[in-house]
Amino acid sequence: DIQMTQSPSSLSASVGDRVTITCRASQSISSYLNWYQQKPGRAPKLLIYGAVSLQSGVPSRFRGGGSGTDFTLTISSLQPEDFATYYCQQSYSTPITFGRGTRLEIK
Amino acid sequence: QVQLVQSGAEVKKPGASVKVSCKASGYSSISYGMHWVRQAPGQRPEWMGWINAGNDNTKYSQKFQGRVTITRDRPANTIYMELSSLRSEDTAVYYCARPAYGSGNDWFDPWGQGTLVTVSS
Repeated sequence: DIQMTQSPSSLSASVGDRVTITCRASQSISSYLNWYQQKPGRAPKLLIYGAVSLQSGVPSRFRGGGSGTDFTLTISSLQPEDFATYYCQQSYSTPITFGRGTRLEIK
Repeated sequence: QVQLVQSGAEVKKPGASVKVSCKASGYSSISYGMHWVRQAPGQRPEWMGWINAGNDNTKYSQKFQGRVTITRDRPANTIYMELSSLRSEDTAVYYCARPAYGSGNDWFDPWGQGTLVTVSS
């Protein structure tokens, strides 16, 4: 199974800050890396697919990067609605696996 | 508008089975597969398996092999996930999620709203 190591597990930041979350795969997954945002009591919501492609309707302050084994999600200027938990996911091979999540909290 | 609507919350006793439904609207589920993912409280999402488009072949996570069955009712445009031999550790929210373009390598979009399954004696 491909292990997804996500860091940090939690992050405190202020509105307007720039934050970066990282995700590392235990083997190369090309660009089969997706990012989701999840708010309490809700299903995950797709933000980024194919490592760098912004899902329709997602604000441009979200940016994905990387390929192979190392990936990033950057939020350029945090807005109040961005405080949530973020998960990376590899869809390169089954079993599809997720990172442990990054909880983004208001400082 | 593509939408996945799941069945309601369930409470089951240990050893029982649960069957969760996922009704697709806005598209034909025959043309797409469907994944099932569960999320225990405070934990990361966990992939359980999927049914592919066309021939309804299934693939399951080794962790759930032998306990999970994913099926499709084509006329009803509905996909089902049944989990047997339930134990307390199976308490979680269960989601269906569509691969964006039908391939097993696709990202998941959309997701169902989730179904809470509680296993308790």
